[in-house]
Amino acid sequence: QQQVKQSPQSLIVQKGGISIINCAYENTAFDYFPWYQQFPGKGPALLIAIRPDVSEKKEGRFTISFNKSAKQFSLHIMDSQPGDSATYFCAAGSGGYQKVTFGIGTKLQVIP
Amino acid sequence: NAGVTQTPKFQVLKTGQSMTLQCAQDMNHEYMSWYRQDPGMGLRLIHYSVGAGITDQGEVPNGYNVSRSTTEDFPLRLLSAAPSQTSVYFCASREQSMNTEAFFGQGTRLTVV
Repeated sequence: QQQVKQSPQSLIVQKGGISIINCAYENTAFDYFPWYQQFPGKGPALLIAIRPDVSEKKEGRFTISFNKSAKQFSLHIMDSQPGDSATYFCAAGSGGYQKVTFGIGTKLQVIP
Repeated sequence: NAGVTQTPKFQVLKTGQSMTLQCAQDMNHEYMSWYRQDPGMGLRLIHYSVGAGITDQGEVPNGYNVSRSTTEDFPLRLLSAAPSQTSVYFCASREQSMNTEAFFGQGTRLTVV
């Protein structure tokens, strides 16, 4: 049972285009929504995160959009570059310790 | 400042063998955790620790043991390896004030034959 559903599983985008990855959740106890970037052979790296009281957060070319009523959030990568080719994970955290539940990942390929 | 260091990077075990995956961090982080990553399943929490002497189970704890005798180290033990434990294992750490995993090691790729 996936608590955080992520789509698509793979994505091919032209250089300069916009990459969009979507996630949905059911558990309303989730109160923190991070995104991670993982290159082959490396551990995940925290990319950007948002709280549910904010509808959008932007850091450079990366933007999280959050829709609390729909229980959905998405990552937009503007002006996608070949160096952005990686696997991206959405996640959700809750509780005092903030256990983190991950989506299944999206493998992004940005082609020149 | 090495961050989170995992050893070994690769390991092949025979079914029934035991081994310990090592994890060490030099950032004085209170929280440490172990995840396994399997294709199509993302990362799943195995065990975590909120400080020396304190550990708890995550989503998939069966077949794994942990202990936390120091702030720096958080080893993961496989008592009797099974093919279902073939996976890539990641250790993570963060400060208590952080809301999500902040630093991951480079992973240990384990194959159980």
